[in-house]
Amino acid sequence: DGGITQSPKYLFRKEGQNVTLSCEQNLNHDAMYWYRQDPGQGLRLIYYSQIVNDFQKGDIAEGYSVSREKKESFPLTVTSAQKNPTAFYLCASSTGTSGSYNEQFFGPGTRLTVL
Amino acid sequence: GQNIDQPTEMTATEGAIVQINCTYQTSGFNGLFWYQQHAGEAPTFLSYNVLDGLEEKGRFSSFLSRSKGYSYLLLKELQMKDSASYLCAVYNFNKFYFGSGTKLNVKP
Repeated sequence: DGGITQSPKYLFRKEGQNVTLSCEQNLNHDAMYWYRQDPGQGLRLIYYSQIVNDFQKGDIAEGYSVSREKKESFPLTVTSAQKNPTAFYLCASSTGTSGSYNEQFFGPGTRLTVL
Repeated sequence: GQNIDQPTEMTATEGAIVQINCTYQTSGFNGLFWYQQHAGEAPTFLSYNVLDGLEEKGRFSSFLSRSKGYSYLLLKELQMKDSASYLCAVYNFNKFYFGSGTKLNVKP
């Protein structure tokens, strides 16, 4: 079965600790994305990557970091510099073909709660 | 900047038809997507428009007018399971810009 997996589904961390959220896809997609969603809000882009070993900041990158060492994997680290990290985090992937049909497929999400 | 507007919340009756509007102002445009999102879950793809006009897919249809920066999602024969948030997203130069979503409440 092709798809995107995120783990864990729920994550609790103490304030001041860094935490890494996992995202893996077996769809052979070039592009991968991380979004943050707060209650009653839409999705805001944190980081995205169009190709291995390359990534760009989205609209709310401060306090976050990513890596793209493999095509299948795009982990997100929430650092202690992120002021309000409690949120629902969604990973997505797409074929990445600019200017043409480019549906995004989403993982199930990770709900991060910082205590 | 990029601006995408949707109504915050709508209520409709089971069996009825509802139209959810989306207006956008973006620096470029490569397509518009509609997603459905149930509470606590990931968004799922509903429809895609890149040319003006209506796209129909079963009980769901989506319309696009690029000159007006306007789209709508039409849901027919509403069912209770259609209670969810509906997200409008514009695809532009490798990025997706999402509206805040419209929460649809379907009542018996």
